[in-house]
Amino acid sequence: DVKVTQSSRYLVKRTGEKVFLECVQDMDHENMFWYRQDPGLGLRLIYFSYDVKMKEKGDIPEGYSVSREKKERFSLILESASTNQTSMYLCASSDSGRGGTDTQYFGPGTRLTVL
Amino acid sequence: GESVGLHLPTLSVQEGDNSIINCAYSNSASDYFIWYKQESGKGPQFIIDIRSNMDKRQGQRVTVLLNKTVKHLSLQIAATQPGDSAVYFCAENIDSNYQLIWGAGTKLIIKP
Repeated sequence: DVKVTQSSRYLVKRTGEKVFLECVQDMDHENMFWYRQDPGLGLRLIYFSYDVKMKEKGDIPEGYSVSREKKERFSLILESASTNQTSMYLCASSDSGRGGTDTQYFGPGTRLTVL
Repeated sequence: GESVGLHLPTLSVQEGDNSIINCAYSNSASDYFIWYKQESGKGPQFIIDIRSNMDKRQGQRVTVLLNKTVKHLSLQIAATQPGDSAVYFCAENIDSNYQLIWGAGTKLIIKP
């Protein structure tokens, strides 16, 4: 069964803290994605990676960075958390090189609150 | 002060009736469309997809219709069940670009 796991379901951090969100997939997928989800705004792509050590900016990369040292793991880093980064963060992975036409499999999400 | 969030469009349907969820997409160059379902507390899950060279595609209890003339996509769910309660997202893609363009979502509520 397809599995994408995220390190935390709920996280509370303080303004200015460095925050790490971890995502692991067990499907040997090439592509991995980080989205944030806010009510009424759908899913907005932060960063994606189509190969180990490769990363591409999505629509809203400001204030975030990513790391993909191993194929199965994609980390999202908030260098200095701010209250406007309070959101639901979703990780996804997909197979092969057909970009957006490959089915994306999502993790359960991490609800981050920045105080 | 109090923050005001954006409200999701909501569709209420009687259990057993058919549901139709609509989506207007933005880019006439989009050539691939997908519907995802997100249940409470879970990540989105793929339901069905359609390419722009098709008008209709059927799955198990679901049908997607594509009208390229008016840039409109719809998801039809037959004989709606309580387990269909979720937020439904449409997404579009251009030229197999890695980025999907996501709609805001529609919340489907099933009335018993």
